[in-house]
Amino acid sequence: AQRVTQPEKLLSVFKGAPVELKCNYSYSGSPELFWYVQYSRQRLQLLLRHISRESIKGFTADLNKGETSFHLKKPFAQEEDSAMYYCALRPSGGYNKLIFGAGTRLAVHP
Amino acid sequence: DAGVTQSPTHLIKTRGQQVTLRCSPKSGHDTVSWYQQALGQGPQFIFQYYEEEERQRGNFPDRFSGHQFPNYSSELNVNALLLGDSALYLCASSLGGVEYGYTFGSGTRLTVV
Repeated sequence: AQRVTQPEKLLSVFKGAPVELKCNYSYSGSPELFWYVQYSRQRLQLLLRHISRESIKGFTADLNKGETSFHLKKPFAQEEDSAMYYCALRPSGGYNKLIFGAGTRLAVHP
Repeated sequence: DAGVTQSPTHLIKTRGQQVTLRCSPKSGHDTVSWYQQALGQGPQFIFQYYEEEERQRGNFPDRFSGHQFPNYSSELNVNALLLGDSALYLCASSLGGVEYGYTFGSGTRLTVV
């Protein structure tokens, strides 16, 4: 079955602390993995894709095919990082859909 | 550019009724995807429309149907509403169905009573 699991509903940290939002997936092929973010009162938007291997707003994510994980990391959290984060998978083979996890709410306290 | 526009923003319907939700894609986009987001869950793919045809469908019953117009706007129709259909319905537009180019709308909050 194709599934994305985000084990934490809420992650609460203090400003300046490291952050790791966990994402595990279940898929037999070679998927594309994404992180989407939704800030308060804003729309869902793309944060980063594993293919681009870039760092956005200080966040990085590495695809670990052995552990089927795509954890999102940032070394020093900022208050403006507080948001809802969704991990998503796009199946290979030309399927035009995204499979989302349930999301993790990140709360960064001053 | 207003991005993706969805209407209405909120809707209350009675069980058994039918509902139509509307979506105008971002300027320049030709593909519209619909997602259902239940409370506390991530968005779940319903279907995608491209060139006025349904190109891909998720695991939703036939009560869920859609349409895309020549101007690329789209409608989502749900018949015989159930209480479990209560959710936020998101529309996302893209160019040529490329998912990482998705632009999401703010959604329509449907409540079935």
